[in-house]
Amino acid sequence: DTAVSQTPKYLVTQMGNDKSIKCEQNLGHDTMYWYKQDSKKFLKIMFSYNNKELIINETVPNRFSPKSPDKAHLNLHINSLELGDSAVYFCASSQGGAGGRNEQFFGPGTRLTVL
Amino acid sequence: SQQGEEDPQALSIQEGENATMNCSYKTSINNLQWYRQNSGRGLVHLILIRSNEREKHSGRLRVTLDTSKKSSSLLITASRAADTASYFCATGQNTGFQKLVFGTGTRLLVSP
Repeated sequence: DTAVSQTPKYLVTQMGNDKSIKCEQNLGHDTMYWYKQDSKKFLKIMFSYNNKELIINETVPNRFSPKSPDKAHLNLHINSLELGDSAVYFCASSQGGAGGRNEQFFGPGTRLTVL
Repeated sequence: SQQGEEDPQALSIQEGENATMNCSYKTSINNLQWYRQNSGRGLVHLILIRSNEREKHSGRLRVTLDTSKKSSSLLITASRAADTASYFCATGQNTGFQKLVFGTGTRLLVSP
């Protein structure tokens, strides 16, 4: 009965590889997000989708490509991984199109380590 | 940077004591939210206070908001060891896509 789930929980890979992280929410929300939390615990939004439409893209390198096949899923594909991509990536969801107006529900995170 | 600042960065108290964390932000907001993050876990929403509210309570939590000073505080009363976590404030912006902007976090350690 997990509300927001992410897979995998841990991801260790070499520089230059391509990897994907998947996210699913069963809350019936129409807005989903990807956040990046760095080693200093700074949490910053990367992308937001509302009803499968991209509404926030926070100057993230185009090596990162989100894809939302439906309202309940938001996946993150990363090409040509770099050392600086190492971080914890969180998926979140909320009800309503205005992302800052309502509480957000977070997944458990995916810890990405690029060697 | 729009990122808010939290103060203190770290707080260590004994069980039963109260813990107060402060958050300052820079821009006009629609609301301010507090989240808790246990080590190695995702964030959990605690409380939301709207820009036209000054104080809000939820169980042992009390949040205040002063929009003239662009600041908020979170008070946890009668703390427990299970309250040990990082606490983040997040502001819902009034411009653009009204995204959430998170503060730098306060690490709270409650010792038995």
